[in-house]
Amino acid sequence: SQQGEEDPQALSIQEGENATMNCSYKTSINNLQWYRQNSGRGLVHLILIRSNEREKHSGRLRVTLDTSKKSSSLLITASRAADTASYFCAPHTGTASKLTFGTGTRLQVTL
Amino acid sequence: KAGVTQTPRYLIKTRGQQVTLSCSPISGHRSVSWYQQTPGQGLQFLFEYFSETQRNKGNFPGRFSGRQFSNSRSEMNVSTLELGDSALYLCASSTGQAWANEKLFFGSGTQLSVL
Repeated sequence: SQQGEEDPQALSIQEGENATMNCSYKTSINNLQWYRQNSGRGLVHLILIRSNEREKHSGRLRVTLDTSKKSSSLLITASRAADTASYFCAPHTGTASKLTFGTGTRLQVTL
Repeated sequence: KAGVTQTPRYLIKTRGQQVTLSCSPISGHRSVSWYQQTPGQGLQFLFEYFSETQRNKGNFPGRFSGRQFSNSRSEMNVSTLELGDSALYLCASSTGQAWANEKLFFGSGTQLSVL
């Protein structure tokens, strides 16, 4: 498996604004997953996008995948204070039964 | 359906001691993965167990070991603790049978402090 690299490392926005974070990876993937982690807690799965998909929506989340550029982006629309968390991407090659994570993007949403 | 349960939530040990952490996966899940999270190294994969067998292993010294029981519950053990072992230890479960498109369900973690 391989590790994704999230960018930016930290992001601070005001409530109501949109937040965009990016993920880059190195080799071909089977799918790419995004997770959220509130401080000191476990990760929560947000969305999985397969390699043959280009865009996926879930509530206020929109994920895009560009396999030619080996990159993905996560957009959170109309951010809320409760969205404050770290966000991780996990590209999966499909050949190993494990996921590896990058260092994440720390999102701070202020009132 | 109950989520992934990790015990204990907090643990304080001294250098040289050993520690055992426990993880109960979601009912019906047969795969349990363990991760170590530190501010400096981020989330690092320790190992994964499926049907009582270690299926994948990360790059950690032999002081870190694990096992899985027939009911899919898993334990990890760290012997001869070092200060650098202070971390949040997370376990995650999945069915493990269609791994390529599976998502992981994480527990709340065990925060280990080594003094």
